[in-house]
Amino acid sequence: EAQVTQNPRYLITVTGKKLTVTCSQNMNHEYMSWYRQDPGLGLRQIYYSMNVEVTDKGDVPEGYKVSRKEKRNFPLILESPSPNQTSLYFCASSFGGGGPDRQETQYFGPGTRLLVL
Amino acid sequence: GQQLNQSPQSMFIQEGEDVSMNCTSSSIFNTWLWYKQDPGEGPVLLIALYKAGELTSNGRLTAQFGITRKDSFLNISASIPSDVGIYFCAGQVETGTASKLTFGTGTRLQVTL
Repeated sequence: EAQVTQNPRYLITVTGKKLTVTCSQNMNHEYMSWYRQDPGLGLRQIYYSMNVEVTDKGDVPEGYKVSRKEKRNFPLILESPSPNQTSLYFCASSFGGGGPDRQETQYFGPGTRLLVL
Repeated sequence: GQQLNQSPQSMFIQEGEDVSMNCTSSSIFNTWLWYKQDPGEGPVLLIALYKAGELTSNGRLTAQFGITRKDSFLNISASIPSDVGIYFCAGQVETGTASKLTFGTGTRLQVTL
């Protein structure tokens, strides 16, 4: 089954304690992306990756890091989480080629709800 | 970054009614997309629009890409309880090798029997 998986689904942590949210896709997609969803703000892009070892900042990258060492995995790293990073996080992937099948056919993971105390 | 203004923020309608929501931007987009998010899940693509003026249907859903390329609307006809969820518009621009997607703030739809 084609899917994007995220782990953990729920996480409660404390300020300053480094954490990693994993994302994996089994569709051989080139493009992967992280979003955060906050009430009244919709989804905002944190980082994206066009392919292995190619990553770039989205609209709200501050406080986050990513890596893309393998095509299937795109972990999101919070080196020193703060309460304003409490949010619902989504990973998404899609084919990265040209034409209409680029970002719009994004497959989203189930989400990771993070609470930073 | 860019933001899309999506309205209304929320809607409470009765089963069988038609629904209309729209999205506007100060910037031009190459592609408009509409997603639906069910509770506890990630967004799922409903309709993609690629050309200004394009009108596309997917079952009871109809969406249009505005002529100015700065707006789009989504209509749902004869709503049913499973239409409940949050609907997001998204605009896409392509810059060189990158393709950026910007989401609207969402419209929360509630359907009563």
